[in-house]
Amino acid sequence: NAGVTQTPKFRILKIGQSMTLQCTQDMNHNYMYWYRQDPGMGLKLIYYSVGAGITDKGEVPNGYNVSRSTTEDFPLRLELAAPSQTSVYFCASRNWGTEAFFGQGTRLTVV
Amino acid sequence: GENVEQHPSTLSVQEGDSAVIKCTYSDSASNYFPWYKQELGKRPQLIIDIRSNVGEKKDQRIAVTLNKTAKHFSLHITETQPEDSAVYFCAAPREGGSQGNLIFGKGTKLSVKP
Repeated sequence: NAGVTQTPKFRILKIGQSMTLQCTQDMNHNYMYWYRQDPGMGLKLIYYSVGAGITDKGEVPNGYNVSRSTTEDFPLRLELAAPSQTSVYFCASRNWGTEAFFGQGTRLTVV
Repeated sequence: GENVEQHPSTLSVQEGDSAVIKCTYSDSASNYFPWYKQELGKRPQLIIDIRSNVGEKKDQRIAVTLNKTAKHFSLHITETQPEDSAVYFCAAPREGGSQGNLIFGKGTKLSVKP
């Protein structure tokens, strides 16, 4: 089991560029999440999914989009990068009533 | 929906002392409460969790207590060591119960001084 795998680990974007953060899990988990963590701060939920084909907004969804075409994959899309999106992004997954497993994170800088 | 408050935001202890971090939650239907440890530059990882059918759970130097009446749960670390230095997050299910999204507290930065 690889667990939750995120790519890339680091990325620098210019303002207005777009990119997709990839996330895949091999634990057959129903729930998948995207969180962002600003320096010295907690985890804020961006989007989540309860299963393939179903996604919903979290606390801070503006500027992001997601899709869930398979159980394993949950990519996060940034369409027009802004400096406010500079953060560390964590993907996580869990099953009903169990712990959440996190990916290793993607450190994104928008300049 | 659930709201999770975590205190203190920073905690400094001497090696060998105990550390206690407390979280309160708002939804009385919540019944799953995990604690995560995040070392600098790394991902959050579960260290212990508790379900509402028990009041306390221990794992070596770490324990979690739950008071359902008062709607708070606490992390206790005994005989702290420098490697316990990290940020600790509590969490609770957003919609109550044990399912769904986990809402995290803002974190406690624990520093253990040798």
